[in-house]
Formats: sequence, C-alpha cells, structure tokens
Amino acid sequence: AQTVTQSQPEMSVQEAETVTLSCTYDTSESDYYLFWYKQPPSRQMILVIRQEAYKQQNATENRFSVNFQKAAKSFSLKISDSQLGDAAMYFCAYRIVNTGSNQFYFGTGTSLTVIP
Amino acid sequence: DTAVSQTPKYLVTQMGNDKSIKCEQNLGHDTMYWYKQDSKKFLKIMFSYNNKELIINETVPNRFSPKSPDKAHLNLHINSLELGDSAVYFCASSPRLAGGPKTQYFGPGTRLLVL
Repeated sequence: AQTVTQSQPEMSVQEAETVTLSCTYDTSESDYYLFWYKQPPSRQMILVIRQEAYKQQNATENRFSVNFQKAAKSFSLKISDSQLGDAAMYFCAYRIVNTGSNQFYFGTGTSLTVIP
Repeated sequence: DTAVSQTPKYLVTQMGNDKSIKCEQNLGHDTMYWYKQDSKKFLKIMFSYNNKELIINETVPNRFSPKSPDKAHLNLHINSLELGDSAVYFCASSPRLAGGPKTQYFGPGTRLLVL
C-alpha cells in the first residue's frame, strides 16, 4: 500500500527560528516525486517544494529546504528564518513515475504555528 | 490570470438537493482532479480525468459524478446531498509530460455546507 505519514499533527516555531516538519512514506517503487504543499487559512493549496527521487541533492527554495533520505523513505521539510506568513497546514505528498495513474498520495498534514 | 479556478467559493444548501461545482484551468494541462478535504483536513482524492477519460475513481458514492466538457474543465456534480458531504472540495490539474513530476496546481477550494 502506498502511504504517507506525517507524525506531527501540530508544530510551533518562534518567528525567525528554524523548524523541521517530518514526513515518511511507504512505497516499493524506486522512481517517484516528492512534494510539500502549504495550505494557509485561506485553504488554497500552494506548492512549496518538490524533489525527484533519483536526485541525491536535496531541493531548496529560498528559506525552504528538504532532507531527503531515500533509504529511510524520509522527506522532511526545513523552514529557516520562519515568518508569520509561514503559518499554515503543510502536506507531504508523492507520486510514482512509472504508472499510468496520475494519483498523488498525501499525508494527513502538519499544522504549523509561528509565534511572534 | 488565475491558473485553476473554482466556482462557487462557498455553497450552502439543504439535504437532498443536487449541486454542481465548476472547475477551469488555463494551464493547458491534460489531467484534472477533484479532492475532498474533511473537517480534520484530511485530503482524499475523488477523481482524476485525463483527456476526458476517467482514470481514477476512488471509493466515492455514485452520487458524485465528474463531468468534463473539454480538457480545460472538470465539473463535479453531486446528487441528493447528505450532511456528510460537507467539506472543502479542491480541483487540481497537472501536465501530462512523460517522465515529468506532474506537479499539481490547486484551485482555491469550494466550501460546501449541507444543512
């Protein structure tokens, strides 16, 4: 079964500090893509960052970076210099490459609070 | 300029009614999706359409039917609405590039409340 687990339902971070959100997944496939989506109170889903499983180098997007450990099937998101606007629900997701299905598998989300 | 748009943004209706939610994308994507997000914020895929062909249909009641008049639209029609249908419904789209990540782009969501 394809599953994504986010073990932290809620996290908080002080403004300007760094926080790491964890994500693990379960798949027997070797080729896939990983994503982090952000959902602010407006409820819109926004792509934060993505990682190709075949790449060893961790993806980075400004203050957002990932720690991708393929053997451990772990894909954590690090937010540096946290800002108030980072407060949101964060969803981890992945998609298998070699399949006719375009299905994405989402975790249950981590709610991030940023403390001023 | 909105990439994926949904209408209406809010929908309040009585049990037993039939309603539709419209979705349009101007990204030229080939695949579109519908997700349901419940009160616990759990995101569940309902359907996806690829070139007008349904390719995913999770265990969704047949009261829900996706309708795609063309590649840029995937509307969600719901018959005989029930209280448990209250949720936020998201439309999304992704390109059909071979080997690509097919990153999904989401609409703003439609908040459905069934009374």
